[in-house]
Amino acid sequence: KAGVTQTPRYLIKTRGQQVTLSCSPISGHRSVSWYQQTPGQGLQFLFEYFSETQRNKGNFPGRFSGRQFSNSRSEMNVSTLELGDSALYLCASSPQMGHIYGYTFGSGTRLTVV
Amino acid sequence: QQQVKQSPQSLIVQKGGISIINCAYENTAFDYFPWYQQFPGKGPALLIAIRPDVSEKKEGRFTISFNKSAKQFSLHIMDSQPGDSATYFCAASNDYKLSFGAGTTVTVRA
Repeated sequence: KAGVTQTPRYLIKTRGQQVTLSCSPISGHRSVSWYQQTPGQGLQFLFEYFSETQRNKGNFPGRFSGRQFSNSRSEMNVSTLELGDSALYLCASSPQMGHIYGYTFGSGTRLTVV
Repeated sequence: QQQVKQSPQSLIVQKGGISIINCAYENTAFDYFPWYQQFPGKGPALLIAIRPDVSEKKEGRFTISFNKSAKQFSLHIMDSQPGDSATYFCAASNDYKLSFGAGTTVTVRA
């Protein structure tokens, strides 16, 4: 059974640019949640997508957005990148909306903003 | 503001020893308390979890102790092995998201 796949694994972007990260959940999982991991703030919830709709949102600015496709794959986008957006972005898939007990995390995308 | 406080930040233990990591929370609505293990270059993986109606849960060499009145819970790693060297996160939730502790880096010396 394939796990959660995040692409790309590494990204280097310049301040002011935008970036799109991709997450393919475990087959049959319909919910995708995104977390940001930084040394200073730790792991923080960004948002959750289920049935192509954003269901829950964390305390991040509007520059952070996402979407989900009919096959449950999700993308997150960060516009107007800032140095502080450098982080490991993790997605977690689960069978149902809000089903944190079934979370499986991907290996993440390491974003560096220069 | 971190809703779950975790300590210590790092610890070193000899092979065969016991590693103890502590977490404290304030939100009494939390009803699910998992521990995650993360290796470099990987995402967190669920290790063990507990509900507040249980005071202890054991799975192999890993044990969670839960003290509801003190709003504290801890992870004990018995007979620590070099392969246990990783970063451990406690977390808590009562809804759709997890609130994580800051993490503890455990190094097991052979």
